[in-house]
Amino acid sequence: EVQLQQSGAELGKPGTSVKLSCKVSGYNIRNTYMHWVNQRPGKGLEWIGRIDPANGNTIYAEKFKSKATLTADTSSNTAYMQLSQLKSDDTAIYFCAMWEGAYWGQGTLVTVSS
Amino acid sequence: DIQMTQSPASLSASPEEIVTITCQASQDIGNWLAWYQQKPGKSPQLLIYSATSLADGIPSRFSGSRSGTQYSLKISRLQVEDTGIYYCLQRYSTWTFGGGTKLELK
Repeated sequence: EVQLQQSGAELGKPGTSVKLSCKVSGYNIRNTYMHWVNQRPGKGLEWIGRIDPANGNTIYAEKFKSKATLTADTSSNTAYMQLSQLKSDDTAIYFCAMWEGAYWGQGTLVTVSS
Repeated sequence: DIQMTQSPASLSASPEEIVTITCQASQDIGNWLAWYQQKPGKSPQLLIYSATSLADGIPSRFSGSRSGTQYSLKISRLQVEDTGIYYCLQRYSTWTFGGGTKLELK
């Protein structure tokens, strides 16, 4: 059974960074893209970007190019997303997804507050 | 960038009714279109992929269709558990979600 287990909720201060994780079981992440999506409170889904864990190649949505950094560790079958220079507008739930959207993590709530 | 215009934004229907949600793509995306249902506090669940294919475990009352660059999700015989927010997603060029449709039951 394929499962994506995301790291726990984060509380970050403005101007700092957080790093989220998404550990996959039941499937080798080398064989799929790992996507990241966010959802601000009461809002819709927004694509952030994706990484090809096999070679580290990344593509980002324009608005997240200086905000998010995607990495992956194939030895632990885990994808990561670092969010930098946090602002209150970054408060959201962040999801990882794979296999072209067939499988999703449970989401990680990031709250930015001083 | 490809834009996906989803309508309606909200919808209220009675059990056993038929409802239809549409997404209009800003350019040709072929069959690279998926539909999701999201319940409060949960991650999105895949309903339809490749515009018309039913995902595993999804009831057959859900169906997808395509006419050119317009895509539709039809729910036949609406059930109480079908409430939630529905999103389309184009996967032709990176990803773009539609704005969502909130479905409530009368």
